[in-house]
Amino acid sequence: EIVLTQSPGTLSLSPGERASLSCRASQSVSNKYLAWYQQKPGQAPRLLIYGASSRATGIPDRFSGSGSGTDYTLIISRLEPEDFAVYSCQQYGTLPLTFGGGTKVEIK
Amino acid sequence: EVQLVESGGGLVQPGRSLRLSCTASGFTFGDYAMNWVRQAPGKGLEWVGFIRRETYGGTTEYGASVEGRFTISRDDSKSIAYLQMNSLKTEDTAFYYCSRGTPYYYETSGYQYWGQGTLVTVSS
Repeated sequence: EIVLTQSPGTLSLSPGERASLSCRASQSVSNKYLAWYQQKPGQAPRLLIYGASSRATGIPDRFSGSGSGTDYTLIISRLEPEDFAVYSCQQYGTLPLTFGGGTKVEIK
Repeated sequence: EVQLVESGGGLVQPGRSLRLSCTASGFTFGDYAMNWVRQAPGKGLEWVGFIRRETYGGTTEYGASVEGRFTISRDDSKSIAYLQMNSLKTEDTAFYYCSRGTPYYYETSGYQYWGQGTLVTVSS
C-alpha cells in the first residue's frame, strides 16, 4: 500500500502567516489523485483540495495545492483564525486508499 | 442538501458484532459509491472501504486491517449503506464516518460529503 508521510507533525504559526504542509508518498500517486482535508475537533473532515491542486466547492483561494509523483504540498497563504486545525492528505489513485497521519496547525 | 447520518455505534465486547448504518438524503443514492472511514480517538483517518453503485455490481473494496471481518452493503431503495463489523477487536475502537463517493468505478475527486460520525467502543 502507498504510505503517506506528512510533515511537520505540528506547525506553530500566527494569524496572517503562510503555512506550508508536506505530504510525501512511498510511491507515485496515480493520476495525481491526492486530496487534502481539514478537520477541527469534534467535526468530520472537510475536503479542501482534490486532484492535487483543484479547490473543492466553497474553499477560499488562500488554500492551494501542488505537487506530482510522490511529493505534494498544501499552502495556506495567510492564516485566518478559523484555519487552525488538523490537515490530512489522502491518495485515492491506488487501492487500498490511504491517508497521511496529519499535520496540526496551531496558534503560536 | 446532501445529508449523511450514521447510526448504530455503541459499546461492544471483543469478538462480538455490530452493524452501522448510514442514511443518505439530498441526492440520488444509487448513483454513487459509498465509503466508510474511521478515526481512533486522537489518531489519524483510516480508510475502511467502499461499495460501488449497482451499475458496477455493487462490488466492494476494503482496507487490510478489516478485510474478512467487515462487510459493506447497500440498500438503494432505502438510501442506506451498512457496515457489518464482525470479530471486533479493541483496536477497532473509533469514530466511524460514512462519506459519499464517486459515480464512477474508481474514486476521482475525494470525499466532499461526510456524516457526523458514530463512535464504536470495543471493550470488555
